[in-house]
Amino acid sequence: GESVGLHLPTLSVQEGDNSIINCAYSNSASDYFIWYKQESGKGPQFIIDIRSNMDKRQGQRVTVLLNKTVKHLSLQIAATQPGDSAVYFCAETLSSNTGKLIFGQGTTLQVKP
Amino acid sequence: EPEVTQTPSHQVTQMGQEVILRCVPISNHLYFYWYRQILGQKVEFLVSFYNNEISEKSEIFDDQFSVERPDGSNFTLKIRSTKLEDSAMYFCASSLGFNNEQFFGPGTRLTVL
Repeated sequence: GESVGLHLPTLSVQEGDNSIINCAYSNSASDYFIWYKQESGKGPQFIIDIRSNMDKRQGQRVTVLLNKTVKHLSLQIAATQPGDSAVYFCAETLSSNTGKLIFGQGTTLQVKP
Repeated sequence: EPEVTQTPSHQVTQMGQEVILRCVPISNHLYFYWYRQILGQKVEFLVSFYNNEISEKSEIFDDQFSVERPDGSNFTLKIRSTKLEDSAMYFCASSLGFNNEQFFGPGTRLTVL
């Protein structure tokens, strides 16, 4: 199944289903957004990014959507696999800035076999 | 594939002691960062560093914290007099430019007793 709407701390999906993880960002001036995946005991790992001049960007099995009007970011994972189980964070930054990333609250994705 | 490395993986110290956390960023990167993550919480920005000086620091990064790039490869975070609330995972990151992907290291778990 998939879940849309407000940020959820935990999302549980069946293997093979699509996942949607949502994030509300804070600064309307932010123009660069990144999704990170964090597995237990490891550092954040880059998944996909998007700049504010785009509203959609696709990678391998992942798609990021950006809605600047409501300051909303989402990550879609197609055909979710057990290896996708992790905590997912969105991050925002102002690219004319110093690289400071502001992370959102994470969403734990649990994939049931 | 180049990666950011950090040592030690786990540091245990007594309150009031000084600790130095070490990082080796990716070799051709120019921007360096420290973040921290208290257990179960989101990742928080501490400091960004470019051209041998601090570009930006957060409110967390008070006078007890300092960073240094002592040679061409290492990037260190020093906490002069540790407090219990400094217990966290500390992540180093580096990037080619300030609006490029940041690569994170595996982190150092700091435990202050």
